[in-house]
Amino acid sequence: EPEVTQTPSHQVTQMGQEVILRCVPISNHLYFYWYRQILGQKVEFLVSFYNNEISEKSEIFDDQFSVERPDGSNFTLKIRSTKLEDSAMYFCASSDRGLVYGYTFGSGTRLTVV
Amino acid sequence: AQSVSQHNHHVILSEAASLELGCNYSYGGTVNLFWYVQYPGQHLQLLLKYFSGDPLVKGIKGFEAEFIKSKFSFNLRKPSVQWSDTAEYFCAVTPVNTDKLIFGTGTRLQVFP
Repeated sequence: EPEVTQTPSHQVTQMGQEVILRCVPISNHLYFYWYRQILGQKVEFLVSFYNNEISEKSEIFDDQFSVERPDGSNFTLKIRSTKLEDSAMYFCASSDRGLVYGYTFGSGTRLTVV
Repeated sequence: AQSVSQHNHHVILSEAASLELGCNYSYGGTVNLFWYVQYPGQHLQLLLKYFSGDPLVKGIKGFEAEFIKSKFSFNLRKPSVQWSDTAEYFCAVTPVNTDKLIFGTGTRLQVFP
């Protein structure tokens, strides 16, 4: 069964540093998403991306965050100037036709900001 | 603002017991409803979804859920759980015409043999 792959599985970074979380969506998928889950809290939507642009973003997704599809296979989430409260599990997901047909999630990257 | 409530945070059952996990949402319009499961160390997987039609939906691994519009509820059920059902279960909704999932806090299910 095709998978969404996220790397690394765990990343530790110093406060104030920039991090890039990487995702390889399923190859024929066109819709891409990032979610995050702070420990003990809900899984929260961050952003959706289609046709090389952001289609929807949450209030959390401010200027500190950006997404990019730098080549035909990767989908990245960049967090600039990380803060302690950015520590969370970040999940990537992809879909071939949007939410109504379901998405496939990756296993997540645990980001720890120290 | 839209929100999803899962009232059971941690459920412990013996194998063969019946399961019902509660899910309520707050949103005045039409929604699509989902249950996801996350087995230890794995990714979120779709168990079942409701978009329209029969409010009783059947999913994978013997799970089902019933949408009761008047109660804003979408409870998950399984008549007889197995040890392999040990996982975290998330209810989620999405208002029609958006593409984002709004999740509940999750329910951790532990099944003992």
